[in-house]
Amino acid sequence: EVQLVESGGGLVQPGGSLRLSCEVSGFTFSSYWMAWVRQAPGKGLEWVANIKQDESEKYFVESVRGRFTISRDNAKNSLYLQMNSLRVEDTAVYYCVRDVLGGHFDFWGQGTLVTVSS
Amino acid sequence: EIVVTQSPGTLSLSPGERAILSCRASQSVRNNFLAWYQQKPGQAPRLLIYAASSRATGIPDRFSGSGSGTDFTLSISRLEAEDFAVYYCQQYGSSKTFGQGTRVEIK
Repeated sequence: EVQLVESGGGLVQPGGSLRLSCEVSGFTFSSYWMAWVRQAPGKGLEWVANIKQDESEKYFVESVRGRFTISRDNAKNSLYLQMNSLRVEDTAVYYCVRDVLGGHFDFWGQGTLVTVSS
Repeated sequence: EIVVTQSPGTLSLSPGERAILSCRASQSVRNNFLAWYQQKPGQAPRLLIYAASSRATGIPDRFSGSGSGTDFTLSISRLEAEDFAVYYCQQYGSSKTFGQGTRVEIK
């Protein structure tokens, strides 16, 4: 059974930092692109970033470029999102997702809530 | 950036009726790389359709996708109780962008 379990969310002040983690099981992690997708409270979905199997390609939505970094550890079956210079508008549930060939998302975690507020 | 617009915002239908949801892109979507997702309250989204018309694993055949270029459609042939939810389309032909969603509610 495919499982993606996020952790690391919480309350942080504007300008602060947070690191999200996602531990996966049930498939060969090193064979897949992975991504983060977020959803602000009561709003729609927004792709945030994705990363190729060997970390040779990484892409970000314009609004987080230069503030967020994405990484992975294939030995630990884990995906990460380092979020710096956080803004109120980054408040959202962040989902870890399996990214098929850098395209659509076929498996989703349950999400972790990040709240940026003073 | 390709902007994706879904219509209608809300669809009010009864169980057993047919639902037709629309997704329009501001530019032609390369290779018809268009996916549909279903999201129920408090849950993560679930992939229904990819590449415009291919059903994901385990998705019932009452769900079907069609379209090409800039205009795409998700059809649900006969609504069942568990189909009332919010539906999102996503293009992945050029970066990735989602539509704003269509809520299918019980009439």
